[in-house]
Amino acid sequence: DIVMTQSPDSLAVSLGERATINCKSSQSVLYSSNNKNYLAWYQQKPGQPPKLLIYWASNRESGVPDRFSGSGSGTDFTLTISNLQAEDVAVYYCQEYYTTPYTFGQGTKLEIK
Amino acid sequence: QVQLQESGPGLVKPSQTLSLTCTVSGVSISSDIYYWSWIRQPAGKGLEWIGRFYASDSPYYNPSLKSRVTISGDTSKNQFSLKVTSVTAADTAVYYCARGSYSAWQYNWFDLWGQGTLVTVSS
Repeated sequence: DIVMTQSPDSLAVSLGERATINCKSSQSVLYSSNNKNYLAWYQQKPGQPPKLLIYWASNRESGVPDRFSGSGSGTDFTLTISNLQAEDVAVYYCQEYYTTPYTFGQGTKLEIK
Repeated sequence: QVQLQESGPGLVKPSQTLSLTCTVSGVSISSDIYYWSWIRQPAGKGLEWIGRFYASDSPYYNPSLKSRVTISGDTSKNQFSLKVTSVTAADTAVYYCARGSYSAWQYNWFDLWGQGTLVTVSS
């Protein structure tokens, strides 16, 4: 199984500032034949299901604010939330869909400082 | 509007079988651009993928649960189901059904989730 490790486990950021969440996979999730990274990011607010934010490591899902951005390749990925808003308080997960069983990171809890 | 809704017993006794159904509205589970999965989340913990159903392929399960899990689809009702046998307290979790994107023979990200249903394993 691919192990997805996120850092930090939690962070507190001031409103309007930038939050950065990292995700590292135990093996590359870059598929060489199409040069795509099989990596997604989700946001989960309390009592709600996860919501897709980013796919192919950097493609924003329709309707997701452009302050959310994803980057990285191979084994190291980053979710960046610019201009942090109060509604961004949530747990964020990365997930690989490169191979089964699909696995998720342990989650990063984002709070307002 | 596409919706997924989980249903089933909220309490299951140890050693018995957990059975859940996901009712899909707004899109056919036979669609060739989507597949359907079950994912669970113990309280306060992370997400575990259980398995998937795709109308044009055989179900596939997480090896960690494979011996106890069955996922099947009922196209006439537009539902897909999960069965987990011989449950223990470790199977207590919120169970989500989710839609996955499928293209070019590849199973991709989960773009839509149900609200989830809590299943507690206890005598």
